[in-house]
Amino acid sequence: GALVYQYPRRTICKSGTSMRMECQAVGFQATSVAWYRQSPQKTFELIALSTVNSAIKYEQNFTQEKFPISHPNLSFSSMTVLNAYLEDRGLYLCGARGQSSYEQYFGPGTRLTVL
Amino acid sequence: GDSVTQTEGLVTVTEGLPVKLNCTYQTTYLTIAFFWYVQYLNEAPQVLLKSSTDNKRTEHQGFHATLHKSSSSFHLQKSSAQLSDSALYYCAYTGKLIFGLGTTLQVQP
Repeated sequence: GALVYQYPRRTICKSGTSMRMECQAVGFQATSVAWYRQSPQKTFELIALSTVNSAIKYEQNFTQEKFPISHPNLSFSSMTVLNAYLEDRGLYLCGARGQSSYEQYFGPGTRLTVL
Repeated sequence: GDSVTQTEGLVTVTEGLPVKLNCTYQTTYLTIAFFWYVQYLNEAPQVLLKSSTDNKRTEHQGFHATLHKSSSSFHLQKSSAQLSDSALYYCAYTGKLIFGLGTTLQVQP
């Protein structure tokens, strides 16, 4: 079946430092990968959508300079949170979608704590 | 603009009674699919229901929803709530996956 892995599951970083998180689709070819942040208030924010053969599209309030994303192939995507501060804390979810379905499969998330 | 509205932040229901979570949407997309995601404590969201067909009822795990494009709605219902249904529920649609703010369902004994 289709699975999405994310690692690390939890990470703690000091304010002003950066951390990288990874997302891997297993069992299907991820034609698009979306990164979300779920805030402590539980709302979902779409950070960016990465589609194969297209440029990565960032949503308002999110930039490539702050959240650079690499999507080198159909199975793997990584995102870095640069210069993390308190407002960047939350659960970062990766959602991947295959060729034949609208359904987006989510990984378990990377929980970022900023000290 | 494109949005999903879930009017209730918290719904509390007694076990065995029916429950309804509201979802309405606004979109400019022509071809879209709708989802209800459920997120249990400390877990990632997972698809509970999905539909892209107007006026067709879809069911899973005792929950059901019908997409009504005429009223831009995709409400989630269950005839008899169970304690294990307590979770966070998100309504969403795609192309670009747009989530509502979520509704916490608390089922009480």
